[in-house]
Amino acid sequence: DAGITQSPRHKVTETGTPVTLRCHQTENHRYMYWYRQDPGHGLRLIHYSYGVKDTDKGEVSDGYSVSRSKTEDFLLTLESATSSQTSVYFCAISESLAGTATGELFFGEGSRLTVL
Amino acid sequence: AQKVTQAQTEISVVEKEDVTLDCVYETRDTTYYLFWYKQPPSGELVFLIRRNSFDEQNEISGRYSWNFQKSTSSFNFTITASQVVDSAVYFCALSAANTGNQFYFGTGTSLTVIP
Repeated sequence: DAGITQSPRHKVTETGTPVTLRCHQTENHRYMYWYRQDPGHGLRLIHYSYGVKDTDKGEVSDGYSVSRSKTEDFLLTLESATSSQTSVYFCAISESLAGTATGELFFGEGSRLTVL
Repeated sequence: AQKVTQAQTEISVVEKEDVTLDCVYETRDTTYYLFWYKQPPSGELVFLIRRNSFDEQNEISGRYSWNFQKSTSSFNFTITASQVVDSAVYFCALSAANTGNQFYFGTGTSLTVIP
């Protein structure tokens, strides 16, 4: 199994509070991603990173920020959590193969966030 | 723009029946990759297969087989002689070489295998 650890695995918070989810990998993969999973929507990309301090927005990035100061860590921050951000959040990693070839995604176990 | 459509939201089959999960994709890139993932009730996401756009050969792995057809932009997944352990949500995904390694997922097909 790919070495991906998400923390916390479960969190309940109140509207308006800041929340940070952490993703840690031991695979030294270049690419890291944050997805959210909601019923009827599948997996939607929030932000991704293609290297240390190199990040870009996904399709549902509003209300989220990310940081990657080390290859192994990718943080997702909700500056002021809202009830619409109640979801299951998955971190994923992948490696680029031989240039632009895309390797498969490996996922963490998910973090369930509830915003009351 | 990249898009993946899994039109089947839920499928139920009786054990030992064959079942095909449909996946239709859209991309303007000539180099792209297609994937299937399985999410069992326990919640983890498990990689099943990766296929690149230059390889249209069908693939078989045990009871699983995949049919890739560029002419119809489809990458369908068949489970032969289904088992209860196959009950899961299955996601099809697309990644194009020119989109910064972004992955685009379909909304998933929930498969229930009835014993």
